[in-house]
Amino acid sequence: GNSVTQMEGPVTLSEEAFLTINCTYTATGYPSLFWYVQYPGEGLQLLLKATKADDKGSNKGFEATYRKETTSFHLEKGSVQVSDSAVYFCALSGGPRGGGADGLTFGKGTHLIIQP
Amino acid sequence: EPEVTQTPSHQVTQMGQEVILRCVPISNHLYFYWYRQILGQKVEFLVSFYNNEISEKSEIFDDQFSVERPDGSNFTLKIRSTKLEDSAMYFCASRKLAGRTDTQYFGPGTRLTVL
Repeated sequence: GNSVTQMEGPVTLSEEAFLTINCTYTATGYPSLFWYVQYPGEGLQLLLKATKADDKGSNKGFEATYRKETTSFHLEKGSVQVSDSAVYFCALSGGPRGGGADGLTFGKGTHLIIQP
Repeated sequence: EPEVTQTPSHQVTQMGQEVILRCVPISNHLYFYWYRQILGQKVEFLVSFYNNEISEKSEIFDDQFSVERPDGSNFTLKIRSTKLEDSAMYFCASRKLAGRTDTQYFGPGTRLTVL
């Protein structure tokens, strides 16, 4: 079945540091890949997505490139801010059954802490 | 901007009681989902719903769970006889289009505490 593996946290960085959160996946077919963010006390918000190999998703300074050869979708940001502190979830959609009803498969989440 | 809403934000119940969690998906969306997140763990898919029937369900979604779209706007998750291990955050999500590329939009969640 489908699975997503992402680096465990917490990840603690200083403001303006470079961020990478690793995400690798296992899936049959051609999944779409997503990063969701969960701020303290809130629900899940879509951060970015990529729907085919070599696509780059980007939003709010975050980027991730869909790498089919390495089955990865690592999240990066050049200069993090305190307000980026949150839990980040890598997820995939689509699998052997395909179709619109497929549920998302999530990784365990990475807690990011940015210190001033 | 349209958003998915969920009520209540927090529900406390006694073990063995029935609970109904409510969601109002985005109005022109066709696919609806429930997920749960046990504290400190990953978000897990429970069930998807389309055209007034379940499309897919996970192994977590056993006979204690049911979903319903009682009218044109609400989407509910019922747990018939709650267990301690049902304590979790429950998220509703909706999606407009078919296909793996479309985005699922999540509600803020309902925190269920079973005592």
